[in-house]
Amino acid sequence: QSALTQPRSVSASPGQSVTISCSGTSSEVGGYNYISWYQEIPGTAPKLLIYDVTKRPSGVPDRFSGSKSGNTASLTISGLQADDEADYYCCSYAGSYTFVFGGGTKLTVL
Amino acid sequence: QPQLQESGPGLVKPSETLSLTCNVSGDSIITSRRYWGWIRQPPGKGLEWIGSIYYNGGTYYNPSLKSRVTISVDTSENQFSLKLSSVTAADTTVYFCARHGVNYRSGFDSWGQGTLVAVSS
Repeated sequence: QSALTQPRSVSASPGQSVTISCSGTSSEVGGYNYISWYQEIPGTAPKLLIYDVTKRPSGVPDRFSGSKSGNTASLTISGLQADDEADYYCCSYAGSYTFVFGGGTKLTVL
Repeated sequence: QPQLQESGPGLVKPSETLSLTCNVSGDSIITSRRYWGWIRQPPGKGLEWIGSIYYNGGTYYNPSLKSRVTISVDTSENQFSLKLSSVTAADTTVYFCARHGVNYRSGFDSWGQGTLVAVSS
């Protein structure tokens, strides 16, 4: 299992939208609709933002949305806020009850 | 949401066995019928799934770590544990425990804050 590929960093200004990609293969991302996204602020517990590609847990603002096309999943954050600045990780079910994560993307709100 | 708290030694010697425990509060490992997992994160790097366990002891492991990993559950204490044998410097990471979603394949809906374990003599 190789880690999923995410951009090391992205940045945007408050109020703008940003999209973080997560690329894999047909063995994980492309093969299953079980993509999840997590927000990690250093020193705090990672937080689930999106699961099953597009679903949001209760309490997660609808500014966060997920999608998938082929072997690439994406997380879009609209109406950026200062406290969205964090590290974001994708995760895909990879078959045989295993999971693979992405390398993480650092979001900077300018 | 449940509270998960990792605990264990912060320093382990090379070739020894790393042991961590995740104490769960606000949810029952038995009655939740969820899987519970361990994930780790080397400093400055991405996350890596280690393995997961069900209340009845059923486990799934990352193939790359399977030969060195044992995850167990203690339902009487509402906690589960990780043992990683023959550790090296590469096992110096932050270790997280987490709860799976209602659907095992959907990922992890609650996490602990993580605990840093260093491997050094």
